Amino acid sequence: GNSVTQMEGPVTLSEEAFLTINCTYTATGYPSLFWYVQYPGEGLQLLLKATKADDKGSNKGFEATYRKETTSFHLEKGSVQVSDSAVYFCALTKGSGGSNYKLTFGKGTLLTVNP
Amino acid sequence: DGGITQSPKYLFRKEGQNVTLSCEQNLNHDAMYWYRQDPGQGLRLIYYSQIVNDFQKGDIAEGYSVSREKKESFPLTVTSAQKNPTAFYLCASTSPGQGPSLYGYTFGSGTRLTVV
Repeated sequence: GNSVTQMEGPVTLSEEAFLTINCTYTATGYPSLFWYVQYPGEGLQLLLKATKADDKGSNKGFEATYRKETTSFHLEKGSVQVSDSAVYFCALTKGSGGSNYKLTFGKGTLLTVNP
Repeated sequence: DGGITQSPKYLFRKEGQNVTLSCEQNLNHDAMYWYRQDPGQGLRLIYYSQIVNDFQKGDIAEGYSVSREKKESFPLTVTSAQKNPTAFYLCASTSPGQGPSLYGYTFGSGTRLTVV
């Protein structure tokens, strides 16, 4: 079945540091890949996505590139802010149709950014 | 604005009682989902429904029940058979016709259930 493995946290950084959160996946075919962010006490918000190999998703200074050859979708940001403190989830879904309409999540990575 | 509303935000239940969590969406989405979140375990799928009057078990359906009588509503009942119900519950939706692969899934703000 499908699975997502992401870097164990917690990750603690100082403001303006570089962020990488690793994510690798196992899936048949060509899944779509997502990063979701969860702020304390809230639901999940879509941060960025990529639907095919070599696509780069980007939003709010975050980026991730869909690497088919390494089955990876690592999240990066060049300069983090205190407001980026949250839990980040990597997820995948298969293309379309039937029971493929399910998101499979990684376990989440807690990021804390200190001023 | 369109979105998903989960209520209540906090819920307390005595052991042995059933409790129902509400999830309503006005996005005209066909598919709806319930996830359970526990610290260090990510999100696990409880039930999902792709169309009215039809639903399927997810990975951890035991002790839960759902109904889908209306397109916009997908309530989750946590029964007394659920051994460890204390968790954060998230509802989500998507529209297969528009492609979850393209647009992802919309999530509600969650209900935190505590058994006392």
